[in-house]
Amino acid sequence: DAGVIQSPRHEVTEMGQEVTLRCKPISGHNSLFWYRQTMMRGLELLIYFNNNVPIDDSGMPEDRFSAKMPNASFSTLKIQPSEPRDSAVYFCASSPANLGTEAFFGQGTRLTVV
Amino acid sequence: AQTVTQSQPEMSVQEAETVTLSCTYDTSESDYYLFWYKQPPSRQMILVIRQEAYKQQNATENRFSVNFQKAAKSFSLKISDSQLGDAAMYFCALFSGTYKYIFGTGTRLKVLA
Repeated sequence: DAGVIQSPRHEVTEMGQEVTLRCKPISGHNSLFWYRQTMMRGLELLIYFNNNVPIDDSGMPEDRFSAKMPNASFSTLKIQPSEPRDSAVYFCASSPANLGTEAFFGQGTRLTVV
Repeated sequence: AQTVTQSQPEMSVQEAETVTLSCTYDTSESDYYLFWYKQPPSRQMILVIRQEAYKQQNATENRFSVNFQKAAKSFSLKISDSQLGDAAMYFCALFSGTYKYIFGTGTRLKVLA
């Protein structure tokens, strides 16, 4: 398996623009997580899905952020409109249903909003 | 609420020496799992070691071992015979019945030649 695949690796956009980050989880994994990494806060959980259903979105910072998982092999995280403070590395991770198995991470998307 | 705290933003160790990274956590669950991840400059998150809370024996993976103190809710990572390739960010993580992974803020480890 190729692992968790995220695209793009890097994104530079202007303030006010819409940004869409994409993730393909490992085949067979039931859970999918979106994290944001910053120096100040480390890895923050934004939202996670189980069997394509959003379970906990309490980490989503505000209404400008939205996430979808239309099927088991694809998820998106959208920011509209983007702001400079959204600049961070965004990670997608997936894990199988087995309790205690580690999360497998993608390479992350470095987002810069100017 | 579940929390993970890493109180050391940065640590340094001399090559070939031993270093211990600290992690404390809080959860009301009785069944949970703890992890240490390594993040080198490539940004890839790599699992270093895993500990099941119901196991009293501390997990070990080659030069990496943990000191798991369940009553104190402490989960420290010991790296023996440190190598230059160990330089990275290290994250402690908790997974429990809420089925989500909660991470600490990380510790940056520098290895001095």
